[in-house]
Amino acid sequence: DAGVTQSPTHLIKTRGQQVTLRCSPKSGHDTVSWYQQALGQGPQFIFQYYEEEERQRGNFPDRFSGHQFPNYSSELNVNALLLGDSALYLCASSLIRTYEQYFGPGTRLTVT
Amino acid sequence: DQQVKQNSPSLSVQEGRISILNCDYTNSMFDYFLWYKKYPAEGPTFLISISSIKDKNEDGRFTVFLNKSAKHLSLHIVPSQPGDSAVYFCAARLYGGATNKLIFGTGTLLAVQP
Repeated sequence: DAGVTQSPTHLIKTRGQQVTLRCSPKSGHDTVSWYQQALGQGPQFIFQYYEEEERQRGNFPDRFSGHQFPNYSSELNVNALLLGDSALYLCASSLIRTYEQYFGPGTRLTVT
Repeated sequence: DQQVKQNSPSLSVQEGRISILNCDYTNSMFDYFLWYKKYPAEGPTFLISISSIKDKNEDGRFTVFLNKSAKHLSLHIVPSQPGDSAVYFCAARLYGGATNKLIFGTGTLLAVQP
């Protein structure tokens, strides 16, 4: 079992550009959540996907969008990148009614 | 609005002694509390959890205590080992209707000295 995987590991983008991050959930899991972890902070909930729909959204602007595919994998898209978007982006997978979420290693995004 | 707080940014403990990490919360609607451990360049790893209807859960060297009246929980590690050195995050689950998300504290960096 490969667990939760994310790609790419690191990414450097310029302000104003767009970025797509990818996540494959743990085998058997149907729900994917995305979190942003800024330096010195805990992970902040961005949104959660289940049955290919966004179920809930945290306090993030519409520049952040996502998608879940039929195989449960997911993408996080960020448009019009700002310097403040520089962070570690974490994907977590779970079963919809369980509380335990399993995290991937994250994607380190740097916006210059 | 920081609903989950870890007021100690760091903690240093001698190997073999007890490590106690603390967490406070404000929302009475949380139904589960979780502790995650995070090494640099890795994602958080689930450590132990406790239901809001319990007051203690134990798993090997790790025990979590929940004091609902004080809205406080703590993670005890006994005995502490150098491999326990990591950032520990307290998280709480808000569940209901379409909600199923974790709210994290800011983390405590634990250093276990050999």
